[in-house]
Amino acid sequence: SYVMTQPPSVSVAPGKTARITCGGNNIGSKSVHWYQQKPGQAPVLVIYYDTDRPSGIPERFSGSNSGNTAALTISRVEAGDEADYYCHLWDSSSDHPVFGGGTKLTVL
Amino acid sequence: QITLKESGPTLVKPTQTLTLTCTFSGFSLSTSGVGVGWIRQPPGKALEWLALIYWNDDKRYSPSLKSRVTITKDTSKNQVVLTMTNMDPVDTATYYCAHRRAPQRYFDYWGQGTLVTVSS
Repeated sequence: SYVMTQPPSVSVAPGKTARITCGGNNIGSKSVHWYQQKPGQAPVLVIYYDTDRPSGIPERFSGSNSGNTAALTISRVEAGDEADYYCHLWDSSSDHPVFGGGTKLTVL
Repeated sequence: QITLKESGPTLVKPTQTLTLTCTFSGFSLSTSGVGVGWIRQPPGKALEWLALIYWNDDKRYSPSLKSRVTITKDTSKNQVVLTMTNMDPVDTATYYCAHRRAPQRYFDYWGQGTLVTVSS
């Protein structure tokens, strides 16, 4: 099945920009979604279809997807953004959902 | 408002069968395109998809767990049931159920999750 690779951790200072990547073979041809998961909580959708934000998600969250890398960018990072982030897509060949390994975002 | 909630045992012994129930509201599993999936997360580890059932009773299973997992639905009770046989300590995880509405290709609503520990 399709494999997506995320860095285990990303650190960023408050007010700076964090970029979390999700690598996969020709992932730019697929639709990628992103979840935020805070400790003890269920995942929350923050980006869908590469770039769209659900209602209630700050504009500071944005997404991109091209070539072999999809990315979640968080601008003006706040302490409350500290969480695990997972990329997700639906593998069209198997019709199965797939998750990346997750990235822990630490706000310094 | 869509909500989902998982229920079941918090502790099971090795080799036992786990049965979890997802009780939902705010949607119907008889509506075209609707699906409910199960996803688990071992402590400190990543999300892992297990199974998915659709409004038309179409079912999908993770290839790695297909021999051990069964998913069923009771539309009249607004419930989806996951059974997993031959439980092992490595199956210790928080188990989530989540909603999908095709053609959307993501889970948009999740339950709070339930922690299942496998130990003798």
